[in-house]
Amino acid sequence: SYELTQPPSVSVSPGQTASITCSGDRLGDRSVSWYQQKPGQSPLLVIYQHTKRPSGIPERFSGSNSGNTATLTISGTQPVDEADYYCQACVWDTGAANVVFGGGTKLTVL
Amino acid sequence: EAQLVESGGGLVLPGGSLRLSCAASGFTLSRHWMSWVRQAPGKGLEWVAIINQDASAKFCVDSVKGRCTISRDNAKNSLSLQMSSLSTEDTAVYYCARVGFNDYDLDLWGQGTLVSVSS
Repeated sequence: SYELTQPPSVSVSPGQTASITCSGDRLGDRSVSWYQQKPGQSPLLVIYQHTKRPSGIPERFSGSNSGNTATLTISGTQPVDEADYYCQACVWDTGAANVVFGGGTKLTVL
Repeated sequence: EAQLVESGGGLVLPGGSLRLSCAASGFTLSRHWMSWVRQAPGKGLEWVAIINQDASAKFCVDSVKGRCTISRDNAKNSLSLQMSSLSTEDTAVYYCARVGFNDYDLDLWGQGTLVSVSS
């Protein structure tokens, strides 16, 4: 089965740039989404199709995807960005859809 | 405003079954694939099931295959998930999620409903 691998945790100082990676076999060939989840809340879509931001998501959130790695980048990280982040892709295998999430990365803004 | 509201969670005995419902409002349900995602306490997100617009395509994750049924009623703006032979490993918050128009992103989530499997 297809797997997506994320680092368990990333730390960043306020105002600095945070990068969260997501690795998978030929991930660059797939469409990747990213979700933010704060404690006690439902996940929120922050990036879709590798690089696009839904309406209402701040410009400091950006994404890239190439080779085997997708990256979520938060520029000028703010304390409010402290949350768990999950990458996600959909894999079609023998005619069946399989939605896959990474294990999640806890972003700490120190 | 588009919204998803789940219901049906609660305490279930091991070996029992669950039926969760998701009420959709503020958008045209029939235009979207829909999905269920769960999250065990303190754990990450796990996709459970997905269904296309007219219910002609339905898929469940391997770990629940054979005991998972996803269905929808577009006329009633509702989505359902049935699971049987529950074990403690099925304890989780279950989220209903709308699939967007962009390569299976999940662009709208409900607040979730907690299912606890325990004796």
